[in-house]
Amino acid sequence: DTGVSQDPRHKITKRGQNVTFRCDPISEHNRLYWYRQTLGQGPEFLTYFQNEAQLEKSRLLSDRFSAERPKGSFSTLEIQRTEQGDSAMYLCASSPAPGGTEAFFGQGTRLTVV
Amino acid sequence: AQSVTQLDSQVPVFEEAPVELRCNYSSSVSVYLFWYVQYPNQGLQLLLKYLSGSTLVESINGFEAEFNKSQTSFHLRKPSVHISDTAEYFCAVSPTDSWGKLQFGAGTQVVVTP
Repeated sequence: DTGVSQDPRHKITKRGQNVTFRCDPISEHNRLYWYRQTLGQGPEFLTYFQNEAQLEKSRLLSDRFSAERPKGSFSTLEIQRTEQGDSAMYLCASSPAPGGTEAFFGQGTRLTVV
Repeated sequence: AQSVTQLDSQVPVFEEAPVELRCNYSSSVSVYLFWYVQYPNQGLQLLLKYLSGSTLVESINGFEAEFNKSQTSFHLRKPSVHISDTAEYFCAVSPTDSWGKLQFGAGTQVVVTP
């Protein structure tokens, strides 16, 4: 088990460009979560999936953000028309379901919008 | 909705001295409680969790936390810190019916010096 993997680790993009991040959860973990962490703050919940179904989205997830988990395995988070305020660390986590009470986190993707 | 307050943003401590990190939460529903640690350039790792039962929970590396329902607190303590405990520590809660969806505090940076 290699843990939760996120790619890329760092991304620098120009304002207005689209970016996509990938998360590979621990195998056989049904639940997958996306969080965003800005400097000096704790992670904030964005959205989560149970298998391929997106069950909840935070109000933080504007229309420019979209997440998918097409086959219930890896997930992608896309940000369209990036803004400087999107600069943050994007964290992915997974947990087994049912019965899993612990979320295992990846190392995150750091996005810088210039 | 839940909220988590970590009362100290930074705690400097000398090696082999005790440390306490304070965490208070509010929630209208039952919650699980967690402490996560983030070492420099690494992802979040679960340090310990309270689900039910004994209100005192311990980690394998000497940390302990006590759940106090009346004071809605979950303070983290270690009687003697090491240089390697230098990290950021996050307190988090999740509803018992929506585990994995974590509400984090802003974090406490612990800096251990010789």
